[in-house]
Amino acid sequence: EPEVTQTPSHQVTQMGQEVILRCVPISNHLYFYWYRQILGQKVEFLVSFYNNEISEKSEIFDDQFSVERPDGSNFTLKIRSTKLEDSAMYFCASSAPGQYEQYFGPGTRLTVT
Amino acid sequence: AQSVTQLDSQVPVFEEAPVELRCNYSSSVSVYLFWYVQYPNQGLQLLLKYLSGSTLVKGINGFEAEFNKSQTSFHLRKPSVHISDTAEYFCAVRTAGRGSTLGRLYFGRGTQLTVWP
Repeated sequence: EPEVTQTPSHQVTQMGQEVILRCVPISNHLYFYWYRQILGQKVEFLVSFYNNEISEKSEIFDDQFSVERPDGSNFTLKIRSTKLEDSAMYFCASSAPGQYEQYFGPGTRLTVT
Repeated sequence: AQSVTQLDSQVPVFEEAPVELRCNYSSSVSVYLFWYVQYPNQGLQLLLKYLSGSTLVKGINGFEAEFNKSQTSFHLRKPSVHISDTAEYFCAVRTAGRGSTLGRLYFGRGTQLTVWP
């Protein structure tokens, strides 16, 4: 069964450094999302992406964040200058045309020290 | 905007007992509803969904949920749980309707179901 994959599974970085989290959505999906879950809190929406542009972003998704689909398979989330409060599990999700459910990857645990 | 409340952060039950995990939502518009399950060290797996039609929906692994519009609830149930059902369960909602394929999901805080032998 096709699935969303994410790399790395765990990333440790120092405050102020740039990180790129990578996702490979399901191949025939056209809609892509990033969510995050800070330990002990709700899963929160960050951004949705369609047709090579951002469709919606939350208040969390400030200028430090960016997303890109550099080729036909990858979908990336970049954090330009990480802060301690960016430590969280980041989930990528995708959905197909006409589908309302989203399919999630296993997540990348980001630890900022 | 929508919001989701999962009143129980932890639900311990014995194997073969029935279980209900509660989910209530708040929204000024029609919504679609979902339950996801997260096993240890894995991602969020779709358990079941309500889009329209019959208010009782069946999902994978013997789970079912009932949509109650008047009570704005979407409780998840299983008549007899197994140890392998031990996981965290998340209720989520999103705006319904045409043109909303890109709608964000709003999640509850999750309920940790622990099944004891």
